[in-house]
Amino acid sequence: DQQVKQNSPSLSVQEGRISILNCDYTNSMFDYFLWYKKYPAEGPTFLISISSIKDKNEDGRFTVFLNKSAKHLSLHIVPSQPGDSAVYFCAASGGSATNKLIFGTGTLLAVQP
Amino acid sequence: KAGVTQTPRYLIKTRGQQVTLSCSPISGHRSVSWYQQTPGQGLQFLFEYFSETQRNKGNFPGRFSGRQFSNSRSEMNVSTLELGDSALYLCASSLQASYNEQFFGPGTRLTVL
Repeated sequence: DQQVKQNSPSLSVQEGRISILNCDYTNSMFDYFLWYKKYPAEGPTFLISISSIKDKNEDGRFTVFLNKSAKHLSLHIVPSQPGDSAVYFCAASGGSATNKLIFGTGTLLAVQP
Repeated sequence: KAGVTQTPRYLIKTRGQQVTLSCSPISGHRSVSWYQQTPGQGLQFLFEYFSETQRNKGNFPGRFSGRQFSNSRSEMNVSTLELGDSALYLCASSLQASYNEQFFGPGTRLTVL
């Protein structure tokens, strides 16, 4: 049972445009969400997080939106740069006594120069 | 501040052997989690430790075990290796017990022949 889903395996965007990566979850107990960027054979790099008490969090070019009623979150990257090309994972965590993350399957973002 | 370090970076073993992987968290971090990444299953949670106590364990057979030491360093052990254990094993550390971003190491690439 895939509790965190990223339905788009890949996304291609032109440099300078907006990249929107989507993620859906099924477990209503999740209350903390994170986005990671990953290159092959490396560990994931933390990008941005959001708590379920918020619906938006911004950090530079990255903004995460959370829609709890739809159990949906998205990551916006504006403007997109070729160096943003990587696999992006969303992850969810739930409860006050754990850091356990449930990861989505990832979306490969390709930013074309 | 140094990041999460994992040793060894690469490992080749044969079926039936056992292996021990090591993780040193970021200084001051007391939470350490382990994940397995494979092409077929994605990133899957293995265990989580906080202050030497295992708080959570993922859905893996008993051949997978781990521990955390008083200096927060952690080890995981896989006994009786199977071909399917070939994967990238990732360690992540976190400052707080929950609702906190996790920082990943570069991983240990295990190949079982």
